[in-house]
Amino acid sequence: KQEVTQIPAALSVPEGENLVLNCSFTDSAIYNLQWFRQDPGKGLTSLLLIQSSQREQTSGRLNASLDKSSGRSTLYIAASQPGDSATYLCAVRVSNSGYALNFGKGTSLLVTP
Amino acid sequence: GAGVSQSPSNKVTEKGKDVELRCDPISGHTALYWYRQSLGQGLEFLIYFQGNSAPDKSGLPSDRFSAERTGGSVSTLTIQRTQQEDSAVYLCASSLSRGSSYNEQFFGPGTRLTVL
Repeated sequence: KQEVTQIPAALSVPEGENLVLNCSFTDSAIYNLQWFRQDPGKGLTSLLLIQSSQREQTSGRLNASLDKSSGRSTLYIAASQPGDSATYLCAVRVSNSGYALNFGKGTSLLVTP
Repeated sequence: GAGVSQSPSNKVTEKGKDVELRCDPISGHTALYWYRQSLGQGLEFLIYFQGNSAPDKSGLPSDRFSAERTGGSVSTLTIQRTQQEDSAVYLCASSLSRGSSYNEQFFGPGTRLTVL
Protein backbone atom coordinates (compact mmCIF):
# COMPACT_ATOMS: atom_id res chain seq x y z
CA LYS A 1 0.00 0.00 0.00
CA GLN A 2 1.26 3.45 -0.90
CA GLU A 3 2.32 5.42 2.16
CA VAL A 4 2.66 9.19 1.87
CA THR A 5 4.56 11.10 4.53
CA GLN A 6 4.86 14.85 4.95
CA ILE A 7 7.55 16.57 6.96
CA PRO A 8 7.38 18.74 8.96
CA ALA A 9 3.92 18.29 10.46
CA ALA A 10 3.89 21.96 11.42
CA LEU A 11 5.98 24.98 10.52
CA SER A 12 6.02 28.60 11.67
CA VAL A 13 8.01 31.22 9.76
CA PRO A 14 8.17 35.01 9.67
CA GLU A 15 6.75 36.78 6.66
CA GLY A 16 9.12 37.04 3.71
CA GLU A 17 11.00 33.81 4.26
CA ASN A 18 11.38 31.18 1.57
CA LEU A 19 10.37 27.71 2.73
CA VAL A 20 10.28 24.09 1.63
CA LEU A 21 7.68 21.47 2.43
CA ASN A 22 8.57 17.83 1.96
CA CYS A 23 6.56 14.86 0.77
CA SER A 24 7.76 11.28 0.42
CA PHE A 25 6.00 8.20 -0.94
CA THR A 26 6.89 4.53 -0.78
CA ASP A 27 5.82 3.29 -4.23
CA SER A 28 7.51 5.07 -7.13
CA ALA A 29 4.98 3.74 -9.69
CA ILE A 30 2.82 6.83 -9.65
CA TYR A 31 0.73 8.51 -12.33
CA ASN A 32 0.96 11.97 -10.85
CA LEU A 33 1.38 13.97 -7.68
CA GLN A 34 -0.82 16.83 -6.61
CA TRP A 35 -0.26 19.55 -3.98
CA PHE A 36 -3.27 21.12 -2.26
CA ARG A 37 -3.87 23.74 0.37
CA GLN A 38 -6.66 23.50 2.90
CA ASP A 39 -7.86 26.46 4.93
CA PRO A 40 -9.56 25.78 8.28
CA GLY A 41 -13.08 24.47 7.79
CA LYS A 42 -12.74 24.55 4.03
CA GLY A 43 -12.26 22.11 1.20
CA LEU A 44 -9.06 21.54 -0.75
CA THR A 45 -7.66 23.94 -3.32
CA SER A 46 -5.46 22.39 -5.98
CA LEU A 47 -2.11 24.18 -6.23
CA LEU A 48 0.03 22.17 -8.61
CA LEU A 49 -0.17 18.87 -10.47
CA ILE A 50 3.02 17.14 -11.57
CA GLN A 51 2.81 14.31 -14.08
CA SER A 52 5.01 11.27 -13.57
CA SER A 53 7.09 12.28 -16.58
CA GLN A 54 7.74 15.78 -15.25
CA ARG A 55 10.30 17.00 -12.76
CA GLU A 56 8.73 20.27 -11.67
CA GLN A 57 5.82 22.66 -12.01
CA THR A 58 5.63 26.34 -11.18
CA SER A 59 2.75 28.65 -10.39
CA GLY A 60 3.53 32.14 -9.17
CA ARG A 61 5.53 31.92 -5.94
CA LEU A 62 5.08 28.15 -5.80
CA ASN A 63 7.39 25.55 -7.27
CA ALA A 64 6.91 21.82 -6.88
CA SER A 65 9.51 19.24 -7.81
CA LEU A 66 9.22 15.51 -8.25
CA ASP A 67 11.91 12.85 -7.99
CA LYS A 68 10.06 9.63 -8.71
CA SER A 69 13.01 7.32 -8.30
CA SER A 70 13.65 8.47 -4.75
CA GLY A 71 9.96 8.85 -3.93
CA ARG A 72 10.12 12.51 -3.05
CA SER A 73 8.46 15.80 -3.86
CA THR A 74 9.07 19.26 -2.47
CA LEU A 75 6.89 22.35 -2.49
CA TYR A 76 8.89 25.56 -2.45
CA ILE A 77 7.13 28.76 -1.41
CA ALA A 78 9.01 31.97 -2.14
CA ALA A 79 8.62 35.17 -0.15
CA SER A 80 5.98 33.77 2.19
CA GLN A 81 2.98 35.91 3.19
CA PRO A 82 0.50 35.63 6.08
CA GLY A 83 -2.13 34.63 3.51
CA ASP A 84 -0.10 31.49 2.81
CA SER A 85 -1.01 30.19 6.27
CA ALA A 86 -2.91 26.94 5.73
CA THR A 87 -2.42 23.19 5.73
CA TYR A 88 -0.59 21.88 2.68
CA LEU A 89 -1.40 18.37 1.51
CA CYS A 90 0.51 16.15 -0.86
CA ALA A 91 -1.33 13.38 -2.72
CA VAL A 92 -0.22 10.73 -5.20
CA ARG A 93 -2.23 8.77 -7.70
CA VAL A 94 -0.73 5.31 -8.00
CA SER A 95 -0.98 3.11 -11.05
CA ASN A 96 -2.05 -0.04 -9.27
CA SER A 97 -4.91 1.29 -7.19
CA GLY A 98 -7.29 2.85 -9.63
CA TYR A 99 -7.91 6.51 -9.59
CA ALA A 100 -7.89 7.35 -5.92
CA LEU A 101 -5.45 9.83 -4.46
CA ASN A 102 -3.36 8.73 -1.47
CA PHE A 103 -2.85 11.68 0.84
CA GLY A 104 -0.25 12.61 3.38
CA LYS A 105 -1.42 14.07 6.67
CA GLY A 106 -0.27 17.53 5.71
CA THR A 107 2.00 20.30 6.90
CA SER A 108 0.35 23.05 8.90
CA LEU A 109 2.01 26.34 7.94
CA LEU A 110 1.80 29.58 9.90
CA VAL A 111 3.36 32.71 8.42
CA THR A 112 3.60 35.47 11.01
CA PRO A 113 3.56 39.17 10.10
CA GLY B 1 -17.84 28.38 -14.06
CA ALA B 2 -19.04 26.86 -10.83
CA GLY B 3 -16.82 24.52 -8.88
CA VAL B 4 -17.78 21.33 -7.08
CA SER B 5 -20.64 21.95 -4.67
CA GLN B 6 -21.79 19.85 -1.74
CA SER B 7 -24.83 19.91 0.49
CA PRO B 8 -25.52 20.21 3.28
CA SER B 9 -22.43 21.98 4.55
CA ASN B 10 -23.11 20.70 8.04
CA LYS B 11 -25.21 17.79 9.24
CA VAL B 12 -25.87 16.79 12.83
CA THR B 13 -27.70 13.53 13.34
CA GLU B 14 -28.46 11.03 16.05
CA LYS B 15 -26.82 7.65 16.20
CA GLY B 16 -28.80 5.10 14.23
CA LYS B 17 -30.32 7.55 11.76
CA ASP B 18 -29.66 7.48 8.00
CA VAL B 19 -28.07 10.45 6.25
CA GLU B 20 -27.67 11.49 2.61
CA LEU B 21 -24.87 13.71 1.39
CA ARG B 22 -25.00 15.33 -2.03
CA CYS B 23 -22.30 16.29 -4.51
CA ASP B 24 -22.64 18.34 -7.69
CA PRO B 25 -19.47 17.98 -9.76
CA ILE B 26 -18.05 20.50 -12.18
CA SER B 27 -20.08 20.45 -15.38
CA GLY B 28 -18.54 18.10 -17.92
CA HIS B 29 -16.45 16.17 -15.42
CA THR B 30 -17.05 12.48 -15.94
CA ALA B 31 -15.10 11.22 -12.94
CA LEU B 32 -16.32 11.73 -9.39
CA TYR B 33 -14.71 10.73 -6.10
CA TRP B 34 -15.76 10.64 -2.46
CA TYR B 35 -13.22 10.98 0.35
CA ARG B 36 -13.53 11.18 4.12
CA GLN B 37 -11.40 13.34 6.42
CA SER B 38 -11.47 12.27 10.03
CA LEU B 39 -9.73 14.04 12.86
CA GLY B 40 -6.18 12.74 13.04
CA GLN B 41 -6.73 10.26 10.21
CA GLY B 42 -6.04 12.31 7.12
CA LEU B 43 -7.99 11.97 3.91
CA GLU B 44 -9.27 8.50 2.96
CA PHE B 45 -10.64 7.47 -0.40
CA LEU B 46 -14.15 6.00 -0.34
CA ILE B 47 -15.46 5.46 -3.88
CA TYR B 48 -14.84 6.46 -7.50
CA PHE B 49 -17.42 6.91 -10.26
CA GLN B 50 -16.86 7.01 -13.98
CA GLY B 51 -20.15 8.16 -15.43
CA ASN B 52 -22.85 6.39 -13.45
CA SER B 53 -20.85 3.28 -12.64
CA ALA B 54 -18.50 2.77 -9.70
CA PRO B 55 -15.51 0.66 -10.73
CA ASP B 56 -13.75 1.26 -7.44
CA LYS B 57 -15.64 0.99 -4.15
CA SER B 58 -12.65 -0.30 -2.23
CA GLY B 59 -12.64 2.50 0.33
CA LEU B 60 -16.19 2.14 1.62
CA PRO B 61 -15.71 1.20 5.29
CA SER B 62 -18.79 -1.00 5.70
CA ASP B 63 -22.01 -2.08 4.04
CA ARG B 64 -23.75 0.81 5.82
CA PHE B 65 -22.15 3.07 3.24
CA SER B 66 -23.43 3.30 -0.32
CA ALA B 67 -23.30 5.81 -3.13
CA GLU B 68 -24.98 6.37 -6.43
CA ARG B 69 -24.63 8.73 -9.33
CA THR B 70 -27.36 9.60 -11.79
CA GLY B 71 -27.22 11.22 -15.22
CA GLY B 72 -23.46 11.24 -15.03
CA SER B 73 -23.71 14.23 -12.74
CA VAL B 74 -25.05 14.45 -9.18
CA SER B 75 -23.92 11.86 -6.67
CA THR B 76 -25.39 10.91 -3.31
CA LEU B 77 -23.48 9.22 -0.51
CA THR B 78 -25.79 7.44 1.93
CA ILE B 79 -24.82 6.28 5.39
CA GLN B 80 -27.32 4.00 7.08
CA ARG B 81 -27.62 3.50 10.83
CA THR B 82 -24.97 6.12 11.54
CA GLN B 83 -22.40 5.51 14.25
CA GLN B 84 -20.32 8.03 16.16
CA GLU B 85 -17.19 6.90 14.30
CA ASP B 86 -18.83 8.10 11.07
CA SER B 87 -18.33 11.69 12.24
CA ALA B 88 -15.99 13.32 9.74
CA VAL B 89 -15.84 15.76 6.86
CA TYR B 90 -16.98 14.09 3.64
CA LEU B 91 -15.32 15.57 0.57
CA CYS B 92 -16.29 15.15 -3.04
CA ALA B 93 -13.99 15.73 -6.01
CA SER B 94 -14.38 15.59 -9.77
CA SER B 95 -12.06 15.42 -12.74
CA LEU B 96 -12.28 15.55 -16.52
CA SER B 97 -11.35 12.07 -17.65
CA ARG B 98 -10.35 8.71 -16.36
CA GLY B 99 -8.50 7.81 -19.54
CA SER B 100 -5.54 10.07 -19.04
CA SER B 101 -3.01 10.21 -16.31
CA TYR B 102 -3.25 13.97 -16.54
CA ASN B 103 -6.56 14.44 -14.76
CA GLU B 104 -6.54 16.86 -11.90
CA GLN B 105 -9.02 16.43 -9.07
CA PHE B 106 -11.00 19.45 -7.92
CA PHE B 107 -12.60 19.31 -4.49
CA GLY B 108 -15.80 20.66 -3.04
CA PRO B 109 -16.05 22.40 0.35
CA GLY B 110 -17.15 19.23 2.12
CA THR B 111 -20.00 18.19 4.40
CA ARG B 112 -19.21 18.09 8.10
CA LEU B 113 -21.13 15.19 9.64
CA THR B 114 -21.55 14.95 13.39
CA VAL B 115 -23.19 11.87 14.86
CA LEU B 116 -24.36 12.36 18.43
